[in-house]
Amino acid sequence: QKEVEQDPGPLSVPEGAIVSLNCTYSNSAFQYFMWYRQYSRKGPELLMYTYSSGNKEDGRFTAQVDKSSKYISLFIRDSQPSDSATYLCAQGAQGGKLIFGQGTELSVKP
Amino acid sequence: GAGVSQSPRYKVAKRGQDVALRCDPISGHVSLFWYQQALGQGPEFLTYFQNEAQLDKSGLPSDRFFAERPEGSVSTLKIQRTQQEDSAVYLCASSSRTGNSGNTIYFGEGSWLTVV
Repeated sequence: QKEVEQDPGPLSVPEGAIVSLNCTYSNSAFQYFMWYRQYSRKGPELLMYTYSSGNKEDGRFTAQVDKSSKYISLFIRDSQPSDSATYLCAQGAQGGKLIFGQGTELSVKP
Repeated sequence: GAGVSQSPRYKVAKRGQDVALRCDPISGHVSLFWYQQALGQGPEFLTYFQNEAQLDKSGLPSDRFFAERPEGSVSTLKIQRTQQEDSAVYLCASSSRTGNSGNTIYFGEGSWLTVV
């Protein structure tokens, strides 16, 4: 079992839809979680960063951490074609390294 | 430049050939990471430098993989006697901080290695 599990999709939604992306983690020792967006043939870019439980909102994006179920989520409201990318969840681990999920490929159709 | 720069962007190597991948981190960043990303997968940690010290090399898949950062800035990832399973994107990332600092880690665009 991987330390961070993510449904690889692909996920296809119409423009304007609410998108829900999810990951589970197994190691509760580290409580830093990140969501990265990766466009084709580009490096990952940080979207959201959260520590411990609760919600964090930034524009159309909301990151949520549920420690009790070891579940992390990213919600995208009013999705746009420009949101089409691969979304990677990550857990911060010892020494600053990141443990990534497999990535979910999202396509937003106009 | 302002970001993490990697070269070459694309490399095709014949099986058995040695390759060297270069990373120029953001100026002044003390932490430098290498990750390997296979097609359709998330990045996997390879190794971590704090300045010139290689503090964690637990992710290097075999002794054919070697990384260095001799002056605490530019880093090189070397793969000896490349195999087909080494085909992947090699991502470099840097941070101005050490420890748990996920919100300050910046990635380069990667070096795409194809072994034929």
